[in-house]
Amino acid sequence: KAGVTQTPRYLIKTRGQQVTLSCSPISGHRSVSWYQQTPGQGLQFLFEYFSETQRNKGNFPGRFSGRQFSNSRSEMNVSTLELGDSALYLCASSLSVNWAASYEQYFGPGTRLTVT
Amino acid sequence: QQPVQSPQAVILREGEDAVINCSSSKALYSVHWYRQKHGEAPVFLMILLKGGEQKGHDKISASFNEKKQQSSLYLTASQLSYSGTYFCGTEINRDDKIIFGKGTRLHILP
Repeated sequence: KAGVTQTPRYLIKTRGQQVTLSCSPISGHRSVSWYQQTPGQGLQFLFEYFSETQRNKGNFPGRFSGRQFSNSRSEMNVSTLELGDSALYLCASSLSVNWAASYEQYFGPGTRLTVT
Repeated sequence: QQPVQSPQAVILREGEDAVINCSSSKALYSVHWYRQKHGEAPVFLMILLKGGEQKGHDKISASFNEKKQQSSLYLTASQLSYSGTYFCGTEINRDDKIIFGKGTRLHILP
C-alpha cells in the first residue's frame, strides 16, 4: 500500500508570495492533519480534516488555510509568505479520528518550504 | 499548555534502558508518542487514552498516569535503531488539537 505523499518536496518562495502544498493520504484514510516543524518551535499542529470538514485548527494566523476534497486529498495554502514561514510542513493521515483507541497516524515525507 | 518532556537529551549504550517523561499542567484525555529520525518524518508509536492504561510492543512501552498528568515511554534493552527524537503529543479533551512537546533526543552508542 502506498504511503502518504506530499508535493512538492522542496519549495523556495519570496516573501509576500503565496504557496499551495498538496497531500495525498493512504488509500482509505479519511483523516488528514497538517503540522509545521521548525528547529525553534518544534512540531506544531495546523489543522485536521475528516471527511472534508475541518475538525480542529491550531494557533496560526488566518494566512494559513486548508481544505480537503471528496477523495480525501488535502491542500494547505499560505498567503503573503513571511520569512518565519520557512519550515518543514508535514501531512499525516489516519483511518479514524484521533480519539479512537485504534488510532494510528502516518506521516508523509514533508514539504521543505524556504521563504527568502 | 505545551507538555514538558524530560530529559531533553540522553546518550545510552546499546542494551541499556531509557525512560522519557511527558508532563502536563492540565488533565489529559490522551497522550501520543512519536519517534523521528534525522531527516525523516515522525513515526507513530502509540496512543494512550485516559484511564491509566499501559501499552507496549516489542521493547517499547508506555504508561499514562492520569493523577500525575504524566506519561512515560520505556525503551528496554535499547537498540541502535532506537536513536532519534521522541515527541509526546497531548490532548486536553476528546476531539481537541494535539500539542507536542519539544522532544527528547536519544542517541544509542554501540
